[in-house]
Amino acid sequence: DARVTQTPRDKVTEMGQEVTMRCQPILGHNTVFWYRQTMMQGLELLAYFRNRAPLDDSGMPKDRFSAEMPDATLATLKIQPSEPRDSAVYFCASTGTLYNEQFFGPGTRLTVL
Amino acid sequence: GDSVTQMEGPVTLSEEAFLTINCTYTATGYPSLFWYVQYPGEGLQLLLKATKADDKGSNKGFEATYRKETTSFHLEKGSVQVSDSAVYFCALSDLSDTGKLIFGQGTTLQVKP
Repeated sequence: DARVTQTPRDKVTEMGQEVTMRCQPILGHNTVFWYRQTMMQGLELLAYFRNRAPLDDSGMPKDRFSAEMPDATLATLKIQPSEPRDSAVYFCASTGTLYNEQFFGPGTRLTVL
Repeated sequence: GDSVTQMEGPVTLSEEAFLTINCTYTATGYPSLFWYVQYPGEGLQLLLKATKADDKGSNKGFEATYRKETTSFHLEKGSVQVSDSAVYFCALSDLSDTGKLIFGQGTTLQVKP
């Protein structure tokens, strides 16, 4: 049963610390998305990659967020330095299908104190 | 640009009641349409999809029909269960071949025994 996996599932950190979230897309999917979900803003698209190359990262705060795909099986989202307003659930999703249906991971719940 | 509008929640129903969650879209072409469901503490899961006009997507007792003339994709279920309590997202595929989905704001469904 192919799934998107994310680690860690939960992360509590203090303001100013670096946070790295990891995502393993479904094998063979060539497009990977990062989303952020909060009660206030709902689901926001942060960035996405096609064949490991960034297509659009306009949804990310550029000064502190960065996203990369070191290889086809790993996508990372890094926040440095983290701030309390970054507290949210971060989802990774992948697609490689004809109709663009996306498959979501379970999310990383980030709490910045 | 393309957009999706869902009915505001929360929607509160008694078990075995009929469910309708309205979804309308704006798009320049004929996108694929999706309903995703998010159970508490989990990521979004694809519930059903329709890829062309008049298609009916169905899964787990839920149905939605792609209505081009009214630009709608309303979600229905004949008899809801407590286990259907979740947040439901309507989405359309971006036609620019990026793989992006445009999501509605989500509708919370609460089913009471």
